[in-house]
Amino acid sequence: DAGITQSPRHKVTETGTPVTLRCHQTENHRYMYWYRQDPGHGLRLIHYSYGVKDTDKGEVSDGYSVSRSKTEDFLLTLESATSSQTSVYFCAIRLSGREQNEQFFGPGTRLTVL
Amino acid sequence: EDQVTQSPEALRLQEGESSSLNCSYTVSGLRGLFWYRQDPGKGPEFLFTLYSAGEEKEKERLKATLTKKESFLHITAPKPEDSATYLCAVWWGGATNKLIFGTGTLLAVQP
Repeated sequence: DAGITQSPRHKVTETGTPVTLRCHQTENHRYMYWYRQDPGHGLRLIHYSYGVKDTDKGEVSDGYSVSRSKTEDFLLTLESATSSQTSVYFCAIRLSGREQNEQFFGPGTRLTVL
Repeated sequence: EDQVTQSPEALRLQEGESSSLNCSYTVSGLRGLFWYRQDPGKGPEFLFTLYSAGEEKEKERLKATLTKKESFLHITAPKPEDSATYLCAVWWGGATNKLIFGTGTLLAVQP
């Protein structure tokens, strides 16, 4: 499982509250990614990181921010949660090695915004 | 527009009944194509990477192939434990390894 954990695994919150999801890896991978998965849309990239303090936007980044102050942790923050952000969130890492380009995914966080 | 389309959306097979899942793409500058398996309530599990047309990869009852416009995941003599959603993703993002995912094929194999 590439040593990826996500916390919390489930969360219910109310509209307008801030929410932070954590992705933790144990193997010093450089690249980390946050996706959301919704019925009919597949997995969509929110933000990604290519090193400590180096992050960039994906295709659905509005309403989300990220931070990476340590190699092992990549945080996703919803500053003010909305019902449209109800989703399953997956973190992924990319293996660091020659000819290794696969992304490996964490177990996911199910977020419900009421 | 870069797009990845998977078909069929759902497939029901009898145990032992072989079939194929399709992943077609309209992405310029394809760098690779990935297949994943996803079980309910879990994260996608990596299966294969294909880099160039004509390439094939096999693992147990699964075989993935790639052409210039599409990829197939062939399932030979499936078992109930092969039931899952199968996702394909296209790599287009250069060094940052950004992927475009299809919406998946839900496979159900009945005993």
